[in-house]
Amino acid sequence: DTEVTQTPKHLVMGMTNKKSLKCEQHMGHRAMYWYKQKAKKPPELMFVYSYEKLSINESVPSRFSPECPNSSLLNLHLHALQPEDSALYLCASSQPPRGRSYNEQFFGPGTRLTVL
Amino acid sequence: GNSVTQMEGPVTLSEEAFLTINCTYTATGYPSLFWYVQYPGEGLQLLLKATKADDKGSNKGFEATYRKETTSFHLEKGSVQVSDSAVYFCALKFDMGTGFQKLVFGTGTRLLVSP
Repeated sequence: DTEVTQTPKHLVMGMTNKKSLKCEQHMGHRAMYWYKQKAKKPPELMFVYSYEKLSINESVPSRFSPECPNSSLLNLHLHALQPEDSALYLCASSQPPRGRSYNEQFFGPGTRLTVL
Repeated sequence: GNSVTQMEGPVTLSEEAFLTINCTYTATGYPSLFWYVQYPGEGLQLLLKATKADDKGSNKGFEATYRKETTSFHLEKGSVQVSDSAVYFCALKFDMGTGFQKLVFGTGTRLLVSP
């Protein structure tokens, strides 16, 4: 199984809602990533988890709260979002980096989020 | 800093035409370079990679050569197909100094291939 799955595929929420995005992989990868991709823009890294611990937070606002409950799952909890947070949220996984060797990141299809 | 510059799109070609998508980079040290492809409604897929100068990455008829002297990693394909229509991202990977390596993407180039 070389697949990263993400649910839901689409999400529409109001600015006062609380919702969660879910990502799952069964490749035995121990590094998982959240990216944000605005329309016609490249993906931008938000968070990195390694061995279920938050390792990198790219100065993301606290209205985005990541969680890694086990080695296969990664969640992104959303609260009090703004319309400018509307974007495609991509999850990826890889083996943790070792030295200079590259461990390919496998991307999921993304969740398209619209904040009204 | 570390950055990637790609040619603006869209690139519109007829089937069987030759494809070049330009990519240049700025980086400290010696980054690894990648091309990712994103088909409509999907996530990113790694297309090819090169980890050091003069390396040539290739996959599915696509090729790119890591040129340190021109800081370039141009994507080429001899004969495109309609199924190649997608957005192509050039990216580099650099060491964040934390044991983690970060991918930095270019802005993407949309390729449209007509029959």
